[in-house]
Amino acid sequence: QVQLVQSGAEVRKPGASVKVSCKASGYTFTAYFMHWVRQAPGQGLEWMGRISPNTGGTTYAQKFQGRVTMTRDTSITTAYMELTRLGPDDTAFYYCARVDSDLSFDSWGQGTLVTVSS
Amino acid sequence: DIQMTQSPSSLSVSVGDRVTITCRASQTISTYLHWYQQRPGTAPKLLIYTASNLKRGVPSRFSGSGSGTDFTLTITSLQPEDFATYYCHQSYSTPFTFGQGTRLEIK
Repeated sequence: QVQLVQSGAEVRKPGASVKVSCKASGYTFTAYFMHWVRQAPGQGLEWMGRISPNTGGTTYAQKFQGRVTMTRDTSITTAYMELTRLGPDDTAFYYCARVDSDLSFDSWGQGTLVTVSS
Repeated sequence: DIQMTQSPSSLSVSVGDRVTITCRASQTISTYLHWYQQRPGTAPKLLIYTASNLKRGVPSRFSGSGSGTDFTLTITSLQPEDFATYYCHQSYSTPFTFGQGTRLEIK
């Protein structure tokens, strides 16, 4: 069965960076785009961007352009999302989500809480 | 960017009730509209894809309809495990966007 397992919670100071991983299993990793979505505590869902595990090509939401980098390592079927110049507003759960052929998020990681605090 | 307007933002309902949640897109999105359920402390879970298709394993009391700009999620005979927050999501074009969410509360 499809599984996306994310790295553990992180605490960072303002101005720092964080890199979250998402280990995929149960399917052909390179066949499905991986997206990243975040959710501030008590708030809604916000799309950050996507990566093609096949080509490494990325598309980022304009809001995060210049601060986010999505990468992947096909040898270990893992996707990564790095966010730099963190501020308190970046405190959120970060989710990886696989997109199916109909462009729905059919599988999600369990989420990684990133806390930004001085 | 395509704006998704979901209503209501919250609903106080009872077990056994019928619930309808609406989602309106700021421009046509064909049927690239999906519905998710999120229980507290967990990741969202796909319920309905491409407007009206029930994901395998999701109870048949959930249904979706619509195309273009107006969509609905209906839950017939609400069960205790259905008290959660529901989100619509458009994947017609990037940036993908979500509705603000509808929280179902126990009356």
